[in-house]
Amino acid sequence: DGGITQSPKYLFRKEGQNVTLSCEQNLNHDAMYWYRQDPGQGLRLIYYSQIVNDFQKGDIAEGYSVSREKKESFPLTVTSAQKNPTAFYLCASSRGGTSGLAGFTGELFFGEGSRLTVL
Amino acid sequence: AQTVTQSQPEMSVQEAETVTLSCTYDTSENNYYLFWYKQPPSRQMILVIRQEAYKQQNATENRFSVNFQKAAKSFSLKISDSQLGDTAMYFCAYKSGGSNYKLTFGKGTLLTVNP
Repeated sequence: DGGITQSPKYLFRKEGQNVTLSCEQNLNHDAMYWYRQDPGQGLRLIYYSQIVNDFQKGDIAEGYSVSREKKESFPLTVTSAQKNPTAFYLCASSRGGTSGLAGFTGELFFGEGSRLTVL
Repeated sequence: AQTVTQSQPEMSVQEAETVTLSCTYDTSENNYYLFWYKQPPSRQMILVIRQEAYKQQNATENRFSVNFQKAAKSFSLKISDSQLGDTAMYFCAYKSGGSNYKLTFGKGTLLTVNP
C-alpha cells in the first residue's frame, strides 16, 4: 500500500545525544515535511523539502537538521542543540515540488508519527 | 504573519447529533486556502475538507461541511450525524495562495463522540 512510514514509533534519548528519525514515502511525492506536535500547540513546521537535494527551514528549525538525498526519504536529526526535544514528530508529503504550487493542493499525507522522549 | 485560532480545546457530542467546530484566522491576503484535518487516536492525520477563499460556495464532503465567512475570517466545520469514528483531534489550517508550501495550523479541538 502507498503511504508514509516513520520509524521508530517511540524513541528515548539521553541529554546530549543526537537522534535521527526516519521518514520514507512511496507515494512518488516531490515535497516532504517535518512537523512537531506538542500538547495544546498544534503543529509547527520544522523543515520542508520541495525536491531532492533541496530543503528550507520552517518556523522552528533551530536544533534540527535534515537531508534529502533520495526522493523517497527525508530523515530528521534532532541534535543536542535542541533545548526541548521531547515531542511528537510528524512527517508528511505532498504533490508539488518544482512544478510549483500548481501541483500542491494543500493536502498533506502524514505518517503515524514518532514520539521522542528525552530522559 | 497568519494566525489560526481554535477557541474550543475540547468538545463532546452524542452519537447521531450535529456538532460545529469553530476556527478563525487572521490574514491580509485575498487569495488563500483553508483546511480541516482530522487526527484520530493513534492513527494518521488526514484531510477532511478544503476550501478555496475565492469560492463563495461552502465545501461539503459527505457528513462534513464548512461555513466559510470570508469577511468575518471564520471557517467552522459542521459534522452531521456524528459517529463514534469521528472521535479525534481536529485541526484548522491556513495556506497562503501565493508563494510557499507552508500550512499554518491551529492548536486543535479534541472532539469526543459519546454513544
